[in-house]
Amino acid sequence: VIWVTQSPSFLSASTGDTVTITCRMSQGISKYLAWYQQKPGKAPDLLIYAASTLQSGVPSRFSGSGSGTDFTLSISRLQTEDFATYYCQQYYNFPYTFGQGTKLEIK
Amino acid sequence: QVQLQESGPGLVKTSETLSLTCTVSGGSISPYYWNWIRQPPGERLEWIGYIFYSGSTKYNPSLDSRVTMSVDTSKNQFSLRLDSVTAADTAVYYCARADYDVLDHWGQGTLVTVSS
Repeated sequence: VIWVTQSPSFLSASTGDTVTITCRMSQGISKYLAWYQQKPGKAPDLLIYAASTLQSGVPSRFSGSGSGTDFTLSISRLQTEDFATYYCQQYYNFPYTFGQGTKLEIK
Repeated sequence: QVQLQESGPGLVKTSETLSLTCTVSGGSISPYYWNWIRQPPGERLEWIGYIFYSGSTKYNPSLDSRVTMSVDTSKNQFSLRLDSVTAADTAVYYCARADYDVLDHWGQGTLVTVSS
C-alpha cells in the first residue's frame, strides 16, 4: 500500500493570495497523481491529473508539479470559490490511496 | 455530460449487508472502470474497488473478503454489496467513473449509517 502524507491539514489565506499544498508518497509513483477539490456536501471535483495536467474547465490559477514521491498543488490569486478542501490521490498502483486533505479557509 | 447517482438505504443494521446502486446517465457504461469510494466522518477518502464494464473487478485488500460489485449494462447501472457491516462502515459512499485510472466523474454521494 502506498501511504500518502498531505500537508498542511489546514491553511488560512486571503483572497488574492497564493498558496501551496504538498503531498508526499511512501514510494515513487512517477506522475500518477491527481488533485481534487471538495466543497461541503459535494463530491470531489477533479482538478489535475498526471501531476500537472489541468482537467478541462479548471482555471489556470491552479497548477500542479512533481514526480516520484513529492508533489505540490499551487493556487494563485485565490478567489472566494477556491475555499474548499483539497485531496491528492495516487493511481500508480492498487489500492488507490488519498491524502488526508487540506482545508483551505478564509483568513 | 455524464452524471452518476447513488441510491440505497441510508441505514443498515450491524452485521447485515449494505447494498448501493449507481445509475449512470448522459453516457455509456462502456468502456470505463466504475469505482466505489467512501469517506467515514472526519476521515480521508478510501477507495473500495472497481468493476469494469465487462464485469472484471478489483477490490481494496482491506475490504476484499466482504465486497462484491456487479454491473448491469442494460440499465447503465453498477452496484456495491458490503457484507457483515459494523459501525466502522458508516460513511458517505461515492460512485465514480475512471478514465485511464483517473476518477473524472463522481456521484454526489450517499450517507450510510450502520447502527444496531
